[in-house]
This record gives sequence, structure tokens and C-alpha cells, in this order.
Amino acid sequence: DGGITQSPKYLFRKEGQNVTLSCEQNLNHDAMYWYRQDPGQGLRLIYYSQIVNDFQKGDIAEGYSVSREKKESFPLTVTSAQKNPTAFYLCATEATGGESPLHFGNGTRLTVT
Amino acid sequence: QKEVEQDPGPLSVPEGAIVSLNCTYSNSAFQYFMWYRQYSRKGPELLMYTYSSGNKEDGRFTAQVDKSSKYISLFIRDSQPSDSATYLCAIHSGNTPLVFGKGTRLSVIA
Repeated sequence: DGGITQSPKYLFRKEGQNVTLSCEQNLNHDAMYWYRQDPGQGLRLIYYSQIVNDFQKGDIAEGYSVSREKKESFPLTVTSAQKNPTAFYLCATEATGGESPLHFGNGTRLTVT
Repeated sequence: QKEVEQDPGPLSVPEGAIVSLNCTYSNSAFQYFMWYRQYSRKGPELLMYTYSSGNKEDGRFTAQVDKSSKYISLFIRDSQPSDSATYLCAIHSGNTPLVFGKGTRLSVIA
């Protein structure tokens, strides 16, 4: 983690409910990312934000929403429209410049039943 | 063709062996190359970062980039059971989000 806090570590929800995953950082990084990780699928990009009040869809944005009202925070909402929400969700940050490596939080495991 | 290809393994080696992990990529615009290590139920942690062809060494780890062949490698010398993890390569051009390989699962047996 090293300055990136994802909470909670485990989250359980009933099908049909929206749920919000928290990601907070104190690294003063401009860019923040949300990835989803499933067994055998690698990391898939959901949304990213390079500056406050702006964000872009990644490869699998359908059924998810985000906001970036503060530099330190980039919450992800998993809506009831997401067909297969059970997964491991990872938040990452990146310093400015676009060529910097990503720094990851320790993830939130979401289980929807 | 996927942008980044990585053999998922699993790869099992005895303690002390030299491990070679590899990725190939298709986009010649990629300039920045990284290797991450991910332990079970944890976030990936950065192991190596390089932007040029050639070798970069850090302790028991060596990252190798061959831009002409679009091929990158991570070598682990004197592998230890604590090296057992999933290793992800990651590449980007600087203008677009990082592209990850699917990860190779490594087990080092004592």
C-alpha cells in the first residue's frame, strides 16, 4: 500500500444493491485508477482519473461509476447493472507525467450473492 | 493479437533455481516496462522499472528488455520460497494507461 488505503478489505452484498468501494491516497499523485482482477483474467481497467473532476472509462466500465471530487479520493460504485460484480478490486495511483509506474492498494474483495 | 502476452504458468521450481519469466508485446510505441510481484490477496508491488533496451539489475532480480524483438524478461537468481507469487509484466507508451500481462504464477519449492 504505502499511502494508498482501500477499505474495506472484504465486502459482502446482496444482488441488486449498489455498493461503494473506497480508495484514499496521501502520495499527492494526480492520477488514480480502478482495476478488477478475476482468476485467469489479469488486471482489467474500469475507470481512471488524471485530474480532479475528470475521469475516463477503461475497458470494462459498464455497470460501474466513479467520482473524483478530491485529489486524495477516488471511490468506485458497483451498481446493480454490473452482471458479475464478485471480484477483487484494486485501486492504484500514478505520479504526473504518464511514464511513472503505478502504486497499488491492497484491494477489496467484493462478494455479491 | 493481444497487446501483451504472458504465459500464466503455473511455474514450479526448486529453491535456488534461476527463474525466467517472459512477456511479448505487439505495440512498438511502448516505451516503459515494469514487473510487479503480487502475493495472494494483496495488491501488486513494483519490482523493476525500465525504459530502455538492455539489462537492469536489482539484487537477485534482473529485468531485460529487447525492443527489437518486443520481448521482456525477468530473471530471479537463487530463488527462495518467499519468491512464490504471481508476477505481472506491465507496459505503456506514456500516453495511455498501463497494459498488463495476465501474470505468471510461480512456486518455489523448499
